[in-house]
Formats: sequence, C-alpha cells, structure tokens
Amino acid sequence: SQQGEEDPQALSIQEGENATMNCSYKTSINNLQWYRQNSGRGLVHLILIRSNEREKHSGRLRVTLDTSKKSSSLLITASRAADTASYFCATAWGGSNYKLTFGKGTLLTVNP
Amino acid sequence: DTGVSQDPRHKITKRGQNVTFRCDPISEHNRLYWYRQTLGQGPEFLTYFQNEAQLEKSRLLSDRFSAERPKGSFSTLEIQRTEQGDSAMYLCASSLWGVAGIYNEQFFGPGTRLTVL
Repeated sequence: SQQGEEDPQALSIQEGENATMNCSYKTSINNLQWYRQNSGRGLVHLILIRSNEREKHSGRLRVTLDTSKKSSSLLITASRAADTASYFCATAWGGSNYKLTFGKGTLLTVNP
Repeated sequence: DTGVSQDPRHKITKRGQNVTFRCDPISEHNRLYWYRQTLGQGPEFLTYFQNEAQLEKSRLLSDRFSAERPKGSFSTLEIQRTEQGDSAMYLCASSLWGVAGIYNEQFFGPGTRLTVL
C-alpha cells in the first residue's frame, strides 16, 4: 500500500488565490518530495525537504514538514491557471535501498 | 535534450502479446527506477538498478515482467503474455546516488502508456 496520502483529493480555486495541499505518511522517512504532473505527462520534481528541516521555500512554493505528526503541506501562493495539475507527495526511506513511495495525489484546478 | 527519455510513448497491444519498453536515463546517473501508474493513483515502485545491477524488485513485479540494464546505461522493461490489468503508464526515473550533498532527486521521463485490449 502507498505510504503517503494527500488531502484533499481535489481542489478548485480561482487564479490569484492560494492553494494548500496536505500529505500524511506512516513511517520514518529520510526526506519528503513534492511532484507535479500535468494531464498525461511525466512527473516534475518541485521541492525536497529533509527529515531534519521544518520549512522550505522555492519561488511561490512553501513546504512544511512535521515529523512528529508525520505530515507535510504544500502551499502555492498567487496561483495561476498553469498550476492546474495533480500534485503528489513522495516519501523516501530505506537507507541505501532508496526508493520513493507516492500518495494518490491532489488534483488542483485553477480557474482563470 | 538531456532529460530522461522513454520509447514508445504509447503502446496498444492485444492480450497475450509481449511488449518491451525502453528508458534512456540522464547520462551520468547511476540509478534507474521503473514505476507503474494507473488512473487516479500515484506511481508505484516496480524495480531499480544501480549501474547494471538490479537491486530490488517489488512484489508487484510478477514473473511476466523482466527488466534489464545491460551496460548500466539504458534499460528495458519487458512484459510477457500481457493481461488487461497491465494497462497503465510505465514511468522511468533516474538519479545520481552516492555523491555527497545530492539527495537522490529522481528525474522522471514522460512515460509509456500501455493499453492491453
């Protein structure tokens, strides 16, 4: 079963608004990564946050990580229609035997 | 283009046929991963290689599936005797493992969409 679970499953907002997506996971992690996937296309890496970090920024993206609650959030500020996509969190664990475990994703629709 | 490439992008086949997909990773990357993604789900790990060695296979990878990375560069994923349940997007990713300061960011290819009729 997949470790990460995103919430909500779908989110619809107006252009210019902020979008917040949450991710919960079950076991200890090395790091947590967020990916974006446009319809029918491959995954694009957005941001990585290590287990000893609490917050990270990249442009209009802000990611937080709470290891005590085993949860993370992705905030997209001043959203644009081009941000419409599915967003996945992926947890990385396993030491040298390293692979990603993805959640089911949040489908974000930004209406112009 | 120096990203991960996959071929073909789409494959339609009849049940029972064999199919083979190819992935060309970013040239200096030593790790290569295969994932499978079905509609409405996130990608699920199938297998990965470090150089030419296949280090782990998921329980999702039945005996009908085989993957190779013969020279530590490109990889192939073969599915024998395809079933309708194999219909999915097959994603390949590569990463540079073992270099100090690199946290194994995985770069994904565009995927191969398989439809089994």
